[in-house]
Amino acid sequence: ILNVEQSPQSLHVQEGDSTNFTCSFPSSNFYALHWYRWETAKSPEALFVMTLNGDEKKKGRISATLNTKEGYSYLYIKGSQPEDSATYLCAFILTGGGNKLTFGTGTQLKVEL
Amino acid sequence: DGGITQSPKYLFRKEGQNVTLSCEQNLNHDAMYWYRQDPGQGLRLIYYSQIVNDFQKGDIAEGYSVSREKKESFPLTVTSAQKNPTAFYLCASSIQPGVHLQHFGDGTRLSIL
Repeated sequence: ILNVEQSPQSLHVQEGDSTNFTCSFPSSNFYALHWYRWETAKSPEALFVMTLNGDEKKKGRISATLNTKEGYSYLYIKGSQPEDSATYLCAFILTGGGNKLTFGTGTQLKVEL
Repeated sequence: DGGITQSPKYLFRKEGQNVTLSCEQNLNHDAMYWYRQDPGQGLRLIYYSQIVNDFQKGDIAEGYSVSREKKESFPLTVTSAQKNPTAFYLCASSIQPGVHLQHFGDGTRLSIL
């Protein structure tokens, strides 16, 4: 099973800080990358899907970029708020992989007042 | 409101017993998925279905079975052959598999008595 690595594993920031974290995935046979946000006691919420090298997606204060040649994606949060506290998951699909998502273990973000 | 409903929220299984976890969606999605989460690990795919009356094994299918007789329903049975069933189980759906983001239920936590 090919793996996806997310770093850092956890992150504590102050309200108003901007932050980013990384998702590394196999660059061969890449098909798509998904980002999800998972708050405690809730279900995971879809953020972005990206397929093309150089893709950039934005949703409010959250944005993501994709580099398929080197196999990484960055998720950025501008001006973090306490409600951004959650675990951020990325997952990739390979071509010929049967449309199966392989998830990373996530980056746990805690935004403190 | 459209969404995914998983039941029950908590489930207890006796040794040697089969139990079935329910997953229903009213989003008219073709694809449905079952994931398992264990502490310190990413979501792992158990089974998925791309269309009614069809399903494929994921990465950890041993000890589990599914059916997809209706578009809106994808129940998961944890059989007595699954030796370590204690985990958090998430059901998800997407319009189609692959590049479409997945929508998740609230999960079922299964424990062994």
